[in-house]
Amino acid sequence: EIVLTQSPATLSVSPGERATLSCRASQSVNINLAWYQQKPGQPPRLLIYSASTRATGIPTRFSGSGSETEFTLTISSLQSEDFAVYYCQQYNNWPPRTFGPGTTVDLK
Amino acid sequence: QVQLQESGPGLVKPSQSLSLTCSVSGGSISSGNYYWSWIRQPAGKGLEWIGRIHTSGSTNYNPSLNSRVTISADTSKNQFSLKLSSVTAADTAMYYCARATGFFDYWGQGTLVSVSS
Repeated sequence: EIVLTQSPATLSVSPGERATLSCRASQSVNINLAWYQQKPGQPPRLLIYSASTRATGIPTRFSGSGSETEFTLTISSLQSEDFAVYYCQQYNNWPPRTFGPGTTVDLK
Repeated sequence: QVQLQESGPGLVKPSQSLSLTCSVSGGSISSGNYYWSWIRQPAGKGLEWIGRIHTSGSTNYNPSLNSRVTISADTSKNQFSLKLSSVTAADTAMYYCARATGFFDYWGQGTLVSVSS
């Protein structure tokens, strides 16, 4: 089973600042990695797939990069609606599909 | 626009079976190369993939739950279902259904299931 590790666990950011989130895989997942945003009381929302492709309707301030075992989600200028939990997920290997433990982005 | 909606009992007794249904609109569960999936999330915790059923009818389950999980589909109703047997308090969670092509692009709103006597 591929284990995903996310860092930091919590990221405190001011509006307008840049946020950089990391996801590390225990073995290569090529570029088969997705990022999701989850707000309280809502299901996760797909942000990025194939490591760097924005999903439909996702603002350009969200960008993803990386390959194999190291991945990054960057929010270029944090907006108030971006405070949420962010999960990475690999879909290179199954079973099972695995998620990272999440990074909480909160207000500094 | 694909929409998914979970339904089922919100309370299940320990040792019994949990049964949930996901109703899909805006697309057929029997067409395309999609995996119709179940994912759960205990309160305040992360996401756990439970399993999936392909449009072909083939299924895959999380090995950690494999012996207790069954996912099936009713194409006439455009629904797919989850059955989890021998539940314990550890199965208390929000249960989501989702469509996948590897990553999960459409999600239901989730249904909360509590396991308690």
